[in-house]
Amino acid sequence: QQQVRQSPQSLTVWEGETAILNCSYEDSTFDYFPWYWQFPRESPALLIAIRPVSNKKEDGRFTIFFNKREKKLSLHITDSQPGDSATYFCAASASSGSWQLIFGSGTQLTVMP
Amino acid sequence: EAAVTQSPRNKVAVTGGKVTLSCNQTNNHNNMYWYRQDTGHGLRLIHYSYGAGSTEKGDIPDGYKASRPSQENFSLILELATPSQTSVYFCASGDEQTEVFFGKGTRLTVV
Repeated sequence: QQQVRQSPQSLTVWEGETAILNCSYEDSTFDYFPWYWQFPRESPALLIAIRPVSNKKEDGRFTIFFNKREKKLSLHITDSQPGDSATYFCAASASSGSWQLIFGSGTQLTVMP
Repeated sequence: EAAVTQSPRNKVAVTGGKVTLSCNQTNNHNNMYWYRQDTGHGLRLIHYSYGAGSTEKGDIPDGYKASRPSQENFSLILELATPSQTSVYFCASGDEQTEVFFGKGTRLTVV
């Protein structure tokens, strides 16, 4: 059973639009949620992360919204640019227990010029 | 910048053969991870380690072993490689709930 789920699998938006990527999780002990992005033929790299003490984390055009009760997160990319085209992974880990970093299956974002 | 180095970068192995993928990190991170990446599955955790001498099973450990002989080195071992293990393998390192840094990946083909 997938512990971290992402939707949609792929998303296409026009330049300047807001892209919304969704993530949900099963384990209520998860308390750290990073988002990684991966460009073609490159390694994943950290984009932005949130801890549940806050329900929002902003970094420029990228914002994470977090709903602990529903075990859901979303990544909003405002004013999307063609250079944002990448695969985005939601991940989760728990400070109690094993420190595993579990990834979702990813959302492939394409921003059309 | 954190440095995680994987070797080899590309490998072709025969079915039933033994494959060892190596990973070295120079950042004194406690935790190291091995993931495989396949289309439609994202990054799946195979094994991870808290420090020298420790190895733990991730979500898909079957068919794989791991070894952490030192803080810097973490190996993934396929004792009897199968075509289903054809994939891209990423090693990563980091400390608890901080940024995890990935190596450039190893493309393994089992024929």
